[in-house]
Amino acid sequence: NAGVTQTPKFQVLKTGQSMTLQCAQDMNHEYMSWYRQDPGMGLRLIHYSVGAGITDQGEVPNGYNVSRSTTEDFPLRLLSAAPSQTSVYFCASRRTSGTYGELFFGEGSRLTVL
Amino acid sequence: KQEVTQIPAALSVPEGENLVLNCSFTDSAIYNLQWFRQDPGKGLTSLLLIQSSQREQTSGRLNASLDKSSGRSTLYIAASQPGDSATYLCAARANNDMRFGAGTRLTVKP
Repeated sequence: NAGVTQTPKFQVLKTGQSMTLQCAQDMNHEYMSWYRQDPGMGLRLIHYSVGAGITDQGEVPNGYNVSRSTTEDFPLRLLSAAPSQTSVYFCASRRTSGTYGELFFGEGSRLTVL
Repeated sequence: KQEVTQIPAALSVPEGENLVLNCSFTDSAIYNLQWFRQDPGKGLTSLLLIQSSQREQTSGRLNASLDKSSGRSTLYIAASQPGDSATYLCAARANNDMRFGAGTRLTVKP
């Protein structure tokens, strides 16, 4: 069981470039989300989705775009990369039924914006 | 806005010691609280999930407790081992928003 898979693991961008971080899960989870992890600031929610065709903003959504066309995939797009977006990005998923819902994480994507 | 705090930020103990990691949250209206482990350069691994209606959960040498009224959770690790060295994070969930603490970096010395 692969769980949550993120690609790429590492990426270097120049300011102004765009790119997409990929996330896929094979657990048939309705809920998927993207976090960024920065030193001293913990993990912060960027965007989340509770099902195909449904997305919403988290705590730090500016500069990022998401879509959810299938249950399995939840890509994160950086529209015009900025140095402030240098971070480690994590995708996570869980069931939505009831209040029970253990959150499972991918291995992370380390992004550097020069 | 939910704030989650973990104290201490770092902890170093000799092998075999029992230890407690602390997590506090400001809003008691949570669905659940989850403890994670993160190794350097890796993702987060779920350790224990406690529902809001539960008081504690156990898995092997780990025991997590939850006191919603006081806004606190603790993670108890029994008979610590060098392999337990990692950063431990707690997260409190309310609806679709899960707030994380900054973590406690644990080092267990042989």
